[in-house]
Amino acid sequence: AQSVTQLGSHVSVSEGALVLLRCNYSSSVPPYLFWYVQYPNQGLQLLLKYTTGATLVKGINGFEAEFKKSETSFHLTKPSAHMSDAAEYFCAVKGPNSGYALNFGKGTSLLVTP
Amino acid sequence: DGGITQSPKYLFRKEGQNVTLSCEQNLNHDAMYWYRQDPGQGLRLIYYSQIVNDFQKGDIAEGYSVSREKKESFPLTVTSAQKNPTAFYLCASSTLGQGSSNQPQHFGDGTRLSIL
Repeated sequence: AQSVTQLGSHVSVSEGALVLLRCNYSSSVPPYLFWYVQYPNQGLQLLLKYTTGATLVKGINGFEAEFKKSETSFHLTKPSAHMSDAAEYFCAVKGPNSGYALNFGKGTSLLVTP
Repeated sequence: DGGITQSPKYLFRKEGQNVTLSCEQNLNHDAMYWYRQDPGQGLRLIYYSQIVNDFQKGDIAEGYSVSREKKESFPLTVTSAQKNPTAFYLCASSTLGQGSSNQPQHFGDGTRLSIL
């Protein structure tokens, strides 16, 4: 079964600093990978997705992620954090099992300090 | 605008009571999903449906039931058999078919269920 692991349940950065949220995947086939963001008491909003092709994926709000097959990683980055980036971030993988449902990591809570 | 509507936003359940969470989408998506979110555990799949009048159990289906009588609607019932129902419930939908397996799921804003 395809799965993802997010390293670090909480990450704290200063405003203006680099944001790095880690995600490693386990898959025997090329995966479809996604990053979602969740603000308190809201649903999930898609940040970006990797399917095939370019390994550097650009998303909304200045976020991007790089697919590294050799490291089975799909880490999310943003060069300069804003206070508004404080939220919960989820990495997810989609596979043919369970009707193409998403398998989520446990999430990383991003705190941005002034 | 197209999207997914979940209602109510907050719901309280008494002991021994069944409650139903509504999920409606106007995206013309074939597939719909229910997830349960608990702090620190990510989202876990409860049920999913790929076509009207058909649905499948996910990883944590015990104590829940669903129906799919219309393409647009996928209500979730939390039964009295679910002993720990307090959680945030999210409904999602996506397209199916050739070339759609890489498409993202769209989510509603969730329903927070608590026990009285």
